[in-house]
Amino acid sequence: GAGVSQSPSNKVTEKGKDVELRCDPISGHTALYWYRQSLGQGLEFLIYFQGNSAPDKSGLPSDRFSAERTGGSVSTLTIQRTQQEDSAVYLCASSLDRFTSYNEQFFGPGTRLTVL
Amino acid sequence: SQQGEEDPQALSIQEGENATMNCSYKTSINNLQWYRQNSGRGLVHLILIRSNEREKHSGRLRVTLDTSKKSSSLLITASRAADTASYFCATDARSGTYKYIFGTGTRLKVLA
Repeated sequence: GAGVSQSPSNKVTEKGKDVELRCDPISGHTALYWYRQSLGQGLEFLIYFQGNSAPDKSGLPSDRFSAERTGGSVSTLTIQRTQQEDSAVYLCASSLDRFTSYNEQFFGPGTRLTVL
Repeated sequence: SQQGEEDPQALSIQEGENATMNCSYKTSINNLQWYRQNSGRGLVHLILIRSNEREKHSGRLRVTLDTSKKSSSLLITASRAADTASYFCATDARSGTYKYIFGTGTRLKVLA
């Protein structure tokens, strides 16, 4: 079956503009994660969804960042009034269920965001 | 600071040699996972080891976990050029959070 998909693959925007990043998880996966990876760095956790609810938003760096998930499937990450420090690769991952004993995460290819 | 930190940050070896990477973490965990990232395939899950396990094997991979030292190691035996990638450990804290915390990674280069 299809893996996790993300769109767009690349996004170049001007400082101050809003951007919306999309993630399509694997069908049937109830857990969904957003991460951010800066060049040469590890992954920074942003937010976790279980179904449509987000029990852990603690990684969102500021109130300019928000995310939602509808129908327990597609998720969008919105960054308002983008800043240059928001430039990074944004990765989405899904897993079958946060509470199963084997909760491997399947990652999408990422969206490379460049803020000029 | 990051829950997981890998060392070394970079490792360069000859094809056929073994590669060992280490990960340290700070809090009690349910499990620890290792992932590989390269430009061709993105981030791929390699192996998961639960907190009550001490060693696990998968093909040429061997993972150990020492919960008393809060550390794990990943051994890749008989390395191949295709193993060239960054390797990350990821941990989920036992309580209070749903986060998975990834370390900063070890960049492995296998020379043919």
